[in-house]
Amino acid sequence: DGGITQSPKYLFRKEGQNVTLSCEQNLNHDAMYWYRQDPGQGLRLIYYSQIVNDFQKGDIAEGYSVSREKKESFPLTVTSAQKNPTAFYLCASSPRTGGYGYTFGSGTRLTVV
Amino acid sequence: AQSVTQPDIHITVSEGASLELRCNYSYGATPYLFWYVQSPGQGLQLLLKYFSGDTLVQGIKGFEAEFKRSQSSFNLRKPSVHWSDAAEYFCAVEKNNDMRFGAGTRLTVKP
Repeated sequence: DGGITQSPKYLFRKEGQNVTLSCEQNLNHDAMYWYRQDPGQGLRLIYYSQIVNDFQKGDIAEGYSVSREKKESFPLTVTSAQKNPTAFYLCASSPRTGGYGYTFGSGTRLTVV
Repeated sequence: AQSVTQPDIHITVSEGASLELRCNYSYGATPYLFWYVQSPGQGLQLLLKYFSGDTLVQGIKGFEAEFKRSQSSFNLRKPSVHWSDAAEYFCAVEKNNDMRFGAGTRLTVKP
């Protein structure tokens, strides 16, 4: 079955560490997105990519980085510059932008220890 | 600024009762409109979407939503709620390739 796979499901980061969250899709979707979810705040866009080798900052990109070297993959790195990284991270994809709706992965919960 | 408002943070309904979740948006023109559902610790699942045409749209799991241009609203409804509908529901709007989500409404279903 086609879908989006996020890994790991749970991730623990020590202070000062960079960590990378994986997102892979086999839906042949052009566009991919990363969102951060905090209780009571809905979803906030971190980065998005509409095509391979191109990506754009969202509303809260500071302290995060991404790459899009393959259509299927859109990994997110949470750097040590992100001061409050504890959150639930969701990856999504869509065939292309413009009214298609998103398919979401099951998320990665990141906790700073 | 463009915004999506879900006025109800938390709603409790009895199993078998009807449900309406509210969503209002602030955009210059009619955007694409969506409702998603999220179970605890999971991703979001698309329930239904509105592009144009008939203002009453049907979705999965027995949900429907009505677009009202005059009220800038896109409320989600279900005639009879099941215990498995307990989850968080998000309204979203998309305009010019920019998708915005509401803060969500948590639904509790009483036996």
